[in-house]
Amino acid sequence: EAQVTQNPRYLITVTGKKLTVTCSQNMNHEYMSWYRQDPGLGLRQIYYSMNVEVTDKGDVPEGYKVSRKEKRNFPLILESPSPNQTSLYFCASSMTTPSGELFFGEGSRLTVL
Amino acid sequence: DAKTTQPPSMDCAEGRAANLPCNHSTISGNEYVYWYRQIHSQGPQYIIHGLKNNETNEMASLIITEDRKSSTLILPHATLRDTAVYYCIVRAFSGTYKYIFGTGTRLKVLA
Repeated sequence: EAQVTQNPRYLITVTGKKLTVTCSQNMNHEYMSWYRQDPGLGLRQIYYSMNVEVTDKGDVPEGYKVSRKEKRNFPLILESPSPNQTSLYFCASSMTTPSGELFFGEGSRLTVL
Repeated sequence: DAKTTQPPSMDCAEGRAANLPCNHSTISGNEYVYWYRQIHSQGPQYIIHGLKNNETNEMASLIITEDRKSSTLILPHATLRDTAVYYCIVRAFSGTYKYIFGTGTRLKVLA
């Protein structure tokens, strides 16, 4: 089954404790992206990647890092989480074609105390 | 990059057609219009997309105006399970991709 898998789905952590949210897709997609969703603000892009070793900032990259060492994986790293990073996070992937639809993961709800 | 404007909320009676408008007046010639929906806090689900022509699939129809400055998503026979937030997105097909999400329209289908 074609899917985007995120882990963990739920996480409560404390300020400053480094964490990684993993994202993996099994569709051989070139494009992958991370979004955060906050009440009243819709989905905002954090980082995206056009292919292996190619990443770029989205609209809200501060406080986050990403890497794309393999085509299927695109982890989101919070080096020193802060309470304002409490949010619902989504990973997505697509083909890099005109009709490439975005496939989303189920989301990771992160709480930083 | 083009941005989209949608009404914050709409109601629709069950069994009737739901028509969700989207304004994208700054859209460029190579930008596609996509529609997604999000049920509760699940991952957004793809519905349909188009460039210039009207499109139809098993879920919905997409009507794009001739000047491409606006579009309408039509759910022909809305059911209670169609209650969700609907996002209209434009995406440029160029050197990089940027999917610009707005805050969407919260559609409530009423029994």
